[in-house]
Amino acid sequence: GENVEQHPSTLSVQEGDSAVIKCTYSDSASNYFPWYKQELGKRPQLIIDIRSNVGEKKDQRIAVTLNKTAKHFSLHITETQPEDSAVYFCAVHNYGQNFVFGPGTRLSVLP
Amino acid sequence: DAGVIQSPRHEVTEMGQEVTLRCKPISGHDYLFWYRQTMMRGLELLIYFNNNVPIDDSGMPEDRFSAKMPNASFSTLKIQPSEPRDSAVYFCASSPDSPNSGNTIYFGEGSWLTVV
Repeated sequence: GENVEQHPSTLSVQEGDSAVIKCTYSDSASNYFPWYKQELGKRPQLIIDIRSNVGEKKDQRIAVTLNKTAKHFSLHITETQPEDSAVYFCAVHNYGQNFVFGPGTRLSVLP
Repeated sequence: DAGVIQSPRHEVTEMGQEVTLRCKPISGHDYLFWYRQTMMRGLELLIYFNNNVPIDDSGMPEDRFSAKMPNASFSTLKIQPSEPRDSAVYFCASSPDSPNSGNTIYFGEGSWLTVV
């Protein structure tokens, strides 16, 4: 089955700096890669996603890049703000299969 | 749409008692998922349904856990008897059909279960 790893497990950055979280997967047939943000005590919520036929996608301060050959994708957050502090989960989906989530990265943005 | 609706939001129960968690998926979504989240194990898929039919229940930890989906708008996750190690947040999630389109899943607010 699919194996999803996420690095780093914790990340602290100064407000205004950039943060990058990387996710690796094992199944080359996987074709959809969302990122979820979970604030303390809340549910995971989709923040950005990318499909296998696209290399990069941006939404304001958030971007995701995908390297299908190397089987990894990354979340990039620029100009971080305190409200970006949360746990971020990557997920991998394969047609006809289920979503597999990474273990999560706890991001702390220090004022 | 109100989103995925779960109940109860919080439950504290004594070991050995039966616990029933409920979920109403987003209307029109054909996939329903039950996840468990703990600090130690992260987000674990317990079971998922497609068109009310259980597709994969390999994540259900033990026979004490059971899930049903009697119709397109309702699902239950039951733990009987409950144990302290079942304490976790249980998320229900739903997704539209056509997974090849890359439809994401939408989580409910979660049911926070504490077994004492």
